[in-house]
Parts: sequence; structure tokens; C-alpha cells
Amino acid sequence: DAMVIQNPRYQVTQFGKPVTLSCSQTLNHNVMYWYQQKSSQAPKLLFHYYDKDFNNEADTPDNFQSRRPNTSFCFLDIRSPGLGDAAMYLCATSDRGRFTQYFGPGTRLTVL
Amino acid sequence: AQSVSQHNHHVILSEAASLELGCNYSYGGTVNLFWYVQYPGQHLQLLLKYFSGDPLVKGIKGFEAEFIKSKFSFNLRKPSVQWSDTAEYFCAVSTTSGTYKYIFGTGTRLKVLA
Repeated sequence: DAMVIQNPRYQVTQFGKPVTLSCSQTLNHNVMYWYQQKSSQAPKLLFHYYDKDFNNEADTPDNFQSRRPNTSFCFLDIRSPGLGDAAMYLCATSDRGRFTQYFGPGTRLTVL
Repeated sequence: AQSVSQHNHHVILSEAASLELGCNYSYGGTVNLFWYVQYPGQHLQLLLKYFSGDPLVKGIKGFEAEFIKSKFSFNLRKPSVQWSDTAEYFCAVSTTSGTYKYIFGTGTRLKVLA
């Protein structure tokens, strides 16, 4: 089945230690999104790629960066995780013109 | 700025009760509207969506929603809930041009008692 895959599902890192989360998709969608979701809150968009064009949200901290080496893969890099960055990170995709977003299972990040 | 409000943060119902979850948005232009469900430990799944046409849309698992343009609302309904509907429900809005971004509501946590 076509889907959005996120690895790892659970990630533990230490305060200040860089971490990379990955997302891959078999839907061949040209838009990919990264969201941060904290407990009992709505997903908060960090950035999205339209093809290779990167679009950062104005309030996304500089600590968060992203790479999209090809259509299928997108990475979220957290350069120096703080305790406040502990959250679920969701990847989603959409096909331009259809607007519906399809979500992966998320990666739960714990910062010690 | 665009925003989405879900006024019911926590809802507790008994099985077979009827459900209505409110969703209101603020945006003057044309919108696409979505309801997603997040079961415990699972990913966000699309329940239903509205792009245009009949304002009453039917989704999976017996859910439906009605778009009332004059009220900027897109309320989710189910005539008879089941224990397995226990989940968090998110309303989302996107505009029909440009940015491909969702604005999510804060979610409604539904608990259905067996």
C-alpha cells in the first residue's frame, strides 16, 4: 500500500545532541510537511517542501532544519535539542491540486 | 489571521449516544475543510473532507459533516457512537489557493463509555 513512513517511531536523545528524523513516501506526492505536535495540542506546521522549494514557517526556530534529497525522502534535523523540543513529529504529504494531506505515524522524540 | 476553533475540548458520551463536534473557522475566502481522527497511539487519519458541492459530506465509519458557509462552520456528526470511536478529532482548514497549508483546530478528545 502506498503510504508515509517515519523512522524511527521513537527517538531518545540528549540535551544538545543533534538528531535526525526521517520520512519517506510511496505516494509520489510533490508536497511534504513536517509538523510538531505536543500533548493535547494541534499539530503545528514547522515547514513544507513544494518539490524542492523549501517553505519555512515564520515562527519555526532556527534549531530546526530540513532536507529533501529527492521526491521520496524528507529529513528533519534538530541541531541542538532542548527539553522543550520533546514532542511527536509528524510528516505528511499532499499532491498539488488535491490538498488532502496524508500523515505518517509520527516519531516521538524524548530529550533527556 | 486565519484560525480554526473547536469549542469542545473534551466530550464524554455513552455508547449509542449521538455526537456533534463543533468546528468554526475564520477566513473570508474559499476553503477546503477536513476532519481527521487520531486513535490512541495511531497516526492522523482522514475522516472526511469538503471541497465543493453538496455541503453535507459523508465519511468513513458512519461520520458526516455539514458545511454551513454563513456560519463558517463544519460540524462533525455521528448518530450513534461506539466505544471504538474513542479518539481525538481535529478539524483542519486550507485555503484553495497558494500555500497548501492546513490550519488545525486544537482538537476534541472524545471518550465513549461502554
